[in-house]
Amino acid sequence: AQSVAQPEDQVNVAEGNPLTVKCTYSVSGNPYLFWYVQYPNRGLQFLLKYITGDNLVKGSYGFEAEFNKSQTSFHLKKPSALVSDSALYFCAVRDIAGNTPLVFGKGTRLSVIA
Amino acid sequence: DGGITQSPKYLFRKEGQNVTLSCEQNLNHDAMYWYRQDPGQGLRLIYYSQIVNDFQKGDIAEGYSVSREKKESFPLTVTSAQKNPTAFYLCATAGGGAGQPQHFGDGTRLSIL
Repeated sequence: AQSVAQPEDQVNVAEGNPLTVKCTYSVSGNPYLFWYVQYPNRGLQFLLKYITGDNLVKGSYGFEAEFNKSQTSFHLKKPSALVSDSALYFCAVRDIAGNTPLVFGKGTRLSVIA
Repeated sequence: DGGITQSPKYLFRKEGQNVTLSCEQNLNHDAMYWYRQDPGQGLRLIYYSQIVNDFQKGDIAEGYSVSREKKESFPLTVTSAQKNPTAFYLCATAGGGAGQPQHFGDGTRLSIL
């Protein structure tokens, strides 16, 4: 079975500081990993994905994520947070062996304070 | 303009009533999905379809039904058997292989009168 854990319900960071939103996963084989962002009353927007290759993945709006196979983690990062980054962030996983629906974490609410 | 259209944006249901949520896509994607979102619980999969005229139950299918008669459309019916239907419902699509992301509509918020 596949699963995703986002251990923090809420992350607070000051504008201009670096931010990290944590994600760990569990799959039986190798993973495809995804990050999404959701603004109020909107659908999820795709930010970035890890398929294979370089462990550091760059995505939209200056976000990046680091895949760590030994720690089964895929943390989302940004060097300098903006107030407009405040939103709900979801990590998702799929085993590469099957074209099954993504399994999502419960989400982490990011608040960037000016 | 390519995308996923969910309608209506807001929907109200009376006790004992069935309601149908619409999801239409013009992305030519084979796979379509319905998720339910409740505060603090993330997204939970209701039903999904990987091809026309076929669909699979997700984790919380009880009280819901779907059809997939056309590639472009995947309507979700919330039946009177669903005792706690108040939630935000999200439709998603995916094309290509397992490495492709799912794309989401802007959701329908269902409330009970």
